[in-house]
Amino acid sequence: AQSVTQPDIHITVSEGASLELRCNYSYGATPYLFWYVQSPGQGLQLLLKYFSGDTLVQGIKGFEAEFKRSQSSFNLRKPSVHWSDAAEYFCAVGASGNTDKLIFGTGTRLQVFP
Amino acid sequence: GAVVSQHPSRVICKSGTSVKIECRSLDFQATTMFWYRQFPKKSLMLMATSNEGSKATYEQGVEKDKFLINHASLTLSTLTVTSAHPEDSSFYICSASFPSSYNEQFFGPGTRLTVL
Repeated sequence: AQSVTQPDIHITVSEGASLELRCNYSYGATPYLFWYVQSPGQGLQLLLKYFSGDTLVQGIKGFEAEFKRSQSSFNLRKPSVHWSDAAEYFCAVGASGNTDKLIFGTGTRLQVFP
Repeated sequence: GAVVSQHPSRVICKSGTSVKIECRSLDFQATTMFWYRQFPKKSLMLMATSNEGSKATYEQGVEKDKFLINHASLTLSTLTVTSAHPEDSSFYICSASFPSSYNEQFFGPGTRLTVL
């Protein structure tokens, strides 16, 4: 069965520092991978996605993620964090079959200090 | 493009009443819609998947008679919480997808339900 692990429940960084949020997945075939961001009391916004091709994908708000098949990882990175990046980040993998289900990780809460 | 709206954004109701939440895809035809529940500081829990014109498929442990889902058109799905109780208070989020979206789901802004 597919699964997604986000090992870090809570991360705190200083504004301007670099950021890496970890995501590991379990899936038998080439996965569809997503990173979503959620601000408090809001829905989820897609940051970036990987379907195929170039393993380094660029997203919105200066985020990028790299698909590493050998490590079953899809870590999210940003070179310089802004205070407005404080939010909850969810990694998700597309489930097999025709249901279009997404399997979500438990999320990582990012706190940014000035 | 691919905008999903939810209505209402917040609702407060008395215990024992029913509440309906609407989810609309504004600029695309959503062949599949999903309903999630999110507890404070927790991840999203998929409640059910609905395809237009078909009965919803509920996840294990979700009471289908309590959470009625209707997907009557390609742009509208509704979730009705019947005989709501305080333990049903939560943040409910819908999302929608279409066949060529490669599992990408487009999320609504969520509905905060408080049952008194």
